[in-house]
Amino acid sequence: GENVEQHPSTLSVQEGDSAVIKCTYSDSASNYFPWYKQELGKRPQLIIDIRSNVGEKKDQRIAVTLNKTAKHFSLHITETQPEDSAVYFCAASKDSNYQLIWGAGTKLIIKP
Amino acid sequence: SQTIHQWPATLVQPVGSPLSLECTVEGTSNPNLYWYRQAAGRGLQLLFYSVGIGQISSEVPQNLSASRPQDRQFILSSKKLLLSDSGFYLCAWSANTMNTEAFFGQGTRLTVV
Repeated sequence: GENVEQHPSTLSVQEGDSAVIKCTYSDSASNYFPWYKQELGKRPQLIIDIRSNVGEKKDQRIAVTLNKTAKHFSLHITETQPEDSAVYFCAASKDSNYQLIWGAGTKLIIKP
Repeated sequence: SQTIHQWPATLVQPVGSPLSLECTVEGTSNPNLYWYRQAAGRGLQLLFYSVGIGQISSEVPQNLSASRPQDRQFILSSKKLLLSDSGFYLCAWSANTMNTEAFFGQGTRLTVV
């Protein structure tokens, strides 16, 4: 079955710098890759997603890139701000069952 | 618009007591429903998922069970709680017709004492 690995587990960056979180997946049939942000004590919420027919997607300071050949996708956050501090989860799913397989999460710390 | 309700928000239960967490979804039909558990500082562990009424798939052997008595109602239960059942429980739904976003309930913080 599908396996999603996420790195790093913790990432500390200076406010204003960029942050990059990477995920790899094992099932080449996976075609949907969302990223969720979970603030402390709250529910995870979708921040951006990408489908396998697209290589990159951007939404203001957030972007996601997908390399289908290498089976990895990355979340890029530019000009980081204190409110970006949270745990970020990647996931992958495919059309046959729509079930999301989750990465282990990355705790992003923005240093003032 | 679709909404998901999960309750209670917090719960403190003694070891050996029963558990019932309820989740309901509004504004959609025949959703996929999920129960996740999240230990402190850890990732999302899928416990159960359901693609229809009465259809429950279990991902992890444990003393928990799930039921889906109605299309938009998902219940997580236990007959006897263990200390290790403490955690943050999240209900979620997604559309069953396409690969798309999962929407989470507010979560229930369960502490077994």
